[in-house]
Amino acid sequence: QKEVEQNSGPLSVPEGAIASLNCTYSDRGSQSFFWYRQYSGKSPELIMSIYSNGDKEDGRFTAQLNKASQYVSLLIRDSQPSDSATYLCAVNRNNNDMRFGAGTRLTVKP
Amino acid sequence: GAVVSQHPSRVICKSGTSVKIECRSLDFQATTMFWYRQFPKQSLMLMATSNEGSKATYEQGVEKDKFLINHASLTLSTLTVTSAHPEDSSFYICSAGVLSGANVLTFGAGSRLTVL
Repeated sequence: QKEVEQNSGPLSVPEGAIASLNCTYSDRGSQSFFWYRQYSGKSPELIMSIYSNGDKEDGRFTAQLNKASQYVSLLIRDSQPSDSATYLCAVNRNNNDMRFGAGTRLTVKP
Repeated sequence: GAVVSQHPSRVICKSGTSVKIECRSLDFQATTMFWYRQFPKQSLMLMATSNEGSKATYEQGVEKDKFLINHASLTLSTLTVTSAHPEDSSFYICSAGVLSGANVLTFGAGSRLTVL
């Protein structure tokens, strides 16, 4: 079992729709969870961080965490073509151990 | 916010030569920096954890004698790819951050290495 698992996609949604990205992790002791966005040929940039169960909203983005189910998700509302990128789920198992999922490629069609 | 500078952004070298990539934390001190490698259409793979003033910790399967890491100060870590070969061609990315409390990593812009 991979430490951090994501569907590789591609996930395609029409402009204005909600994009839903999912991630599961194996280490139940993980404490910090992150979503990074990576455009082709660029390095990842942090979109959201979440540390406690529930939802966290920031603009069009909502991160959801369920530690019991070891599940993290990212919802993008009113998706825009500029949201087309690869989204990486990252889990910090302890202070010096960040693991990344393989990433989900999202395409938002105009 | 935290800024991580990485240089060079692109490098092309001949097979057998060595290439050094620098990673600097510009507005904070980073006792720990991380080096990742990313092949096309694949995810980030952690290569090693760079610790200031001590030896780097390498991930399984990463040759420490081939990928030399030096973290001589709180703001600079370097990765040297020694005797580079075409299969070393990849996107190398460093990151650093405050790894307590928020545990947020900031990434450098990455260095694309092409070995001819």
